[in-house]
Amino acid sequence: RKEVEQDPGPFNVPEGATVAFNCTYSNSASQSFFWYRQDCRKEPKLLMSVYSSGNEDGRFTAQLNRASQYISLLIRDSKLSDSATYLCVGYLARQLTFGSGTQLTVLP
Amino acid sequence: SQTIHQWPATLVQPVGSPLSLECTVEGTSNPNLYWYRQAAGRGLQLLFYSVGIGQISSEVPQNLSASRPQDRQFILSSKKLLLSDSGFYLCAWSDGETEAFFGQGTRLTVV
Repeated sequence: RKEVEQDPGPFNVPEGATVAFNCTYSNSASQSFFWYRQDCRKEPKLLMSVYSSGNEDGRFTAQLNRASQYISLLIRDSKLSDSATYLCVGYLARQLTFGSGTQLTVLP
Repeated sequence: SQTIHQWPATLVQPVGSPLSLECTVEGTSNPNLYWYRQAAGRGLQLLFYSVGIGQISSEVPQNLSASRPQDRQFILSSKKLLLSDSGFYLCAWSDGETEAFFGQGTRLTVV
């Protein structure tokens, strides 16, 4: 079983839709979590950190559920520019582990 | 501020040739350093990570090796490339707790 698992998608949604991604992790000792965004043929870039209390940045909301061992990302009012691959990332013993990514395409 | 440099950006190499990709970090000390590979349309595969000079952990047995000769330098190497080594190679650094930063990547095509 992979340490971090994501639904690969693809998710195809119309502009303005709300879309949610989930990511599960297998090791309960995992520490910090993040969501990254990767555009085609580019390096991943940090989208936001994930905290147990939940955090929001504009149209994006991230949540960590330690009891169920999953993290989520909610995108509201999706834009064409949100089309990308979204990667969830966890730390365990100072080692980064990436999910395989969820592909999102926002359609006009 | 911290920056990470990775080169070259693209590389076309024949099968059986050697490989050396270099990654350097500026503006921080004792970083955790990582090499990832991403095949087309796939996720990131951790190849090597290092928590200090000369300390290399390998995640996947394969045709590649890594070295960390200096605190902020991380090198990915191969003695003889295979076709299956083609991919997008990414170097990253982190402090072990907070976000990781990536280099711009090297797109390697083995022909």
